[in-house]
Amino acid sequence: RKEVEQDPGPFNVPEGATVAFNCTYSNSASQSFFWYRQDCRKEPKLLMSVYSSGNEDGRFTAQLNRASQYISLLIRDSKLSDSATYLCVVNRLNQAGTALIFGKGTTLSVSS
Amino acid sequence: EAGVAQSPRYKIIEKRQSVAFWCNPISGHATLYWYQQILGQGPKLLIQFQNNGVVDDSQLPKDRFSAERLKGVDSTLKIQPAKLEDSAVYLCASSLFPQGTRYEQYFGPGTRLTVT
Repeated sequence: RKEVEQDPGPFNVPEGATVAFNCTYSNSASQSFFWYRQDCRKEPKLLMSVYSSGNEDGRFTAQLNRASQYISLLIRDSKLSDSATYLCVVNRLNQAGTALIFGKGTTLSVSS
Repeated sequence: EAGVAQSPRYKIIEKRQSVAFWCNPISGHATLYWYQQILGQGPKLLIQFQNNGVVDDSQLPKDRFSAERLKGVDSTLKIQPAKLEDSAVYLCASSLFPQGTRYEQYFGPGTRLTVT
């Protein structure tokens, strides 16, 4: 089983739609969770951290279910500029503290 | 604040040749990472440095890949000899702290390697 699994998509939605991405992770000892965004041929950038209580940043809402080892990202009122690949990221403990394990990413295409 | 710098941005080599990539992290960032991102995949950690020491190289193909971070600042990643399956984007990232739940990794623009 892969450490981090995501539905690769692509998700094709119209502007204004609400879309949700899901992610599962295999290491129950993981403590830190993130969503990164990667535009085509660009580097990944942190979109938001995911906290146990759930957190919201504008149109973006992230949820964590530790019991099910499941992470989600909800995007409301999709914009054309939201088109990108969304990477689910989980930490793995190592000698230095932690390393990040990335999922394959879910591709979102928002059309007008 | 300057971001993570990488060079070259693009490199095309033939299989069995050698290649080296360079990374300069954000000033003051103690932790430096090298990732390999194959088309359609997420980034895969190759090696993690804390200052100039290696703390995780479990996924580095050590028979052909090597990396160093002399003086705890710049880093180089070398592939010798290259194989066709090494074609990928090599991303360097740095972070201020490796621990904790709220640290962020900052990525450089990457080096796109094509092995023919």
